[in-house]
Amino acid sequence: GQQLNQSPQSMFIQEGEDVSMNCTSSSIFNTWLWYKQDPGEGPVLLIALYKAGELTSNGRLTAQFGITRKDSFLNISASIPSDVGIYFCAGQLRGSGGSNYKLTFGKGTLLTVNP
Amino acid sequence: ETGVTQTPRHLVMGMTNKKSLKCEQHLGHNAMYWYKQSAKKPLELMFVYSLEERVENNSVPSRFSPECPNSSHLFLHLHTLQPEDSALYLCASSQERAYEQFFGPGTRLTVL
Repeated sequence: GQQLNQSPQSMFIQEGEDVSMNCTSSSIFNTWLWYKQDPGEGPVLLIALYKAGELTSNGRLTAQFGITRKDSFLNISASIPSDVGIYFCAGQLRGSGGSNYKLTFGKGTLLTVNP
Repeated sequence: ETGVTQTPRHLVMGMTNKKSLKCEQHLGHNAMYWYKQSAKKPLELMFVYSLEERVENNSVPSRFSPECPNSSHLFLHLHTLQPEDSALYLCASSQERAYEQFFGPGTRLTVL
């Protein structure tokens, strides 16, 4: 089945630094989603990408849909302590009917920000 | 209430108990999902309901039994669980199956 490789698995950074993480897939998607999960909570949708090459921002977060449709990147600029959490990528192959709605999730990137 | 809510937030049960998890979405969506989240593993899709009809059962053991009485409510009935079933159980909803999924806060389940 489809697999997503998300890297890095964890990051320890100083407040104010920029962060980059990425996901690569063995097959193509036509939608990429990035979620953040705080301890004891469910994942919260940060950014959704629908088109190859698309670059979308949400505040200090910027995500890109790779040209090959097999990868996506998330950047966080000027990190702050509340950025701490687990970041998940998810790929989706939208289509009509069948199982073309399932999200395939990465294992997550654990981000720690030192004040 | 807004978004997707789940109750209880924490549950401890013995292997012979019967309990139920509840999910309610206040977003006007018509698709709902149950996921299992275990440490060091990607989220595992368990069940999908679309317009109150179960459209996906991802080889989940029969000790997990979902119920969707209407498009706003989803239940997961649990009986004779095993310790390896301990995990965070997440409910999600979406406008339709092909749209972005929004998650609830989860129920942390511990099976003793």
